[in-house]
Amino acid sequence: SYVLTQPPSVSVAPGQTARITCGGDNIGGNSVHWYQQKPGQAPVLVVYDDSDRPSGIPERFSGSNSGNTATLTISRVEAGDEADYFCQVWDTTSHHVFGGGTKLTVL
Amino acid sequence: EVHLVESGGGLVQPGGSLRLSCAASGFTFSNYEMNWVRQAPGKGLEWVSYISGDGTNIHYADSVKGRFAISRDNAKNSLFLQMNSLRAEDTAVYFCARDVPLSSYFDFWGQGTLVTVSS
Repeated sequence: SYVLTQPPSVSVAPGQTARITCGGDNIGGNSVHWYQQKPGQAPVLVVYDDSDRPSGIPERFSGSNSGNTATLTISRVEAGDEADYFCQVWDTTSHHVFGGGTKLTVL
Repeated sequence: EVHLVESGGGLVQPGGSLRLSCAASGFTFSNYEMNWVRQAPGKGLEWVSYISGDGTNIHYADSVKGRFAISRDNAKNSLFLQMNSLRAEDTAVYFCARDVPLSSYFDFWGQGTLVTVSS
């Protein structure tokens, strides 16, 4: 089965840039999607197809994907961005696969 | 506005059964593939099952294959998950999630319903 690896935690000061990685074998050949989940809430899609943003998601959220690593970048981080972030791809054998999640802490 | 509302969760003993429901509104339900995704307490997201818009194409995660059954009633805009032979490791919040047509991601999620398997 396809495995996605995320760092358990990332910390960043307000106003700085947060980068959350998602590693997988030749993940650059897949479309990667990112979800934000705040405590007690459902996940919210923040980036799809590597780098596209759903309507209503701030331009501060962006994504990239190449080689074995996809990255979610959050610019000018705000306190309200503190949440868990999950990457996700579709795999022919495992169907929808999620990374283990990264807790973003705003210092 | 799209709404997905899960129900049917609760406390069940190991080996027991439970049927989850997801009521959909705000879109043409039959046009969309649907999924169940679960999250164990303090853990990450795990895809559980998928069903096509007309209900003819179904897939399961290996962890639930043979024990869970997904179904839908397009006339009632409802999605279901029949869970049998429940185990402690099935304890989780279960979300229904809408698949975007011709894509591989979920654009809307319900708030989830908690299933606790314990004696």
